Amino acid sequence: DIVMTQSPLSLPVTPGEPASISCRSSQSLLHSNRYNYLDWYLQKPGQSPQLLIYLGSNRASGVPDRFSGSGSGTESTLKISRVEAEDVGVYYCMQALQSPEITFGPGTKVDIK
Amino acid sequence: QLQLQESGPGLVKPSETLSLTCTVSGGSISSSDYYWGWIRQPPGKGLEWIASFYHSGSTYYNPSLKSRVTVSVDTSKKQFSLNLNSVTAADTAVYYCSRLSPYYTDYDYYYYVDVWGKGTTVTVSS
Repeated sequence: DIVMTQSPLSLPVTPGEPASISCRSSQSLLHSNRYNYLDWYLQKPGQSPQLLIYLGSNRASGVPDRFSGSGSGTESTLKISRVEAEDVGVYYCMQALQSPEITFGPGTKVDIK
Repeated sequence: QLQLQESGPGLVKPSETLSLTCTVSGGSISSSDYYWGWIRQPPGKGLEWIASFYHSGSTYYNPSLKSRVTVSVDTSKKQFSLNLNSVTAADTAVYYCSRLSPYYTDYDYYYYVDVWGKGTTVTVSS
């Protein structure tokens, strides 16, 4: 089984400032086709999670370009270039290499300082 | 637009069976390519995948829950179900039903969760 970890687990942010979340997997998520099978989801308060980034670096439809994903193998990063108040919530990385058997990271709670 | 709605008892006694149903609207469970699944979230904790299944057969279970979980589908009713037996307080959670869609990459494809239900809270308590 692939184990996912994230850091930090809590991230107070200042609006307008950048933010970064790290995700690590116990196995490489880099497929032989060179795609990184890692997704990012955001769960806003009181809502179901929503897809932000797929295959490591591709923004889902409607996701603002201040969100970006990078990395490959066992380490990936989600960056927000300028945090806005609406970005608060819990961010989860998810391995999709073994999909439809999926595994989520523990989540990173982002809130405003 | 596809929508998913969970339903079932909000309170289950320890050692009994938790049974939930997901009703699909705006689409068909029998649509080719899609997987359907269950994911849960204990209070104040993260997301835990429970199971994913294809309407005509293939089913995958979280190894940590496999011995207690069964999923089933009724395509005529546009519903799929989750049964979790021998529940304990640790099974208290918000349970989400979901759809997993394929994304085709070079020489391969993978599944991501593109539709979530709103979730239903299940408490295990006597």
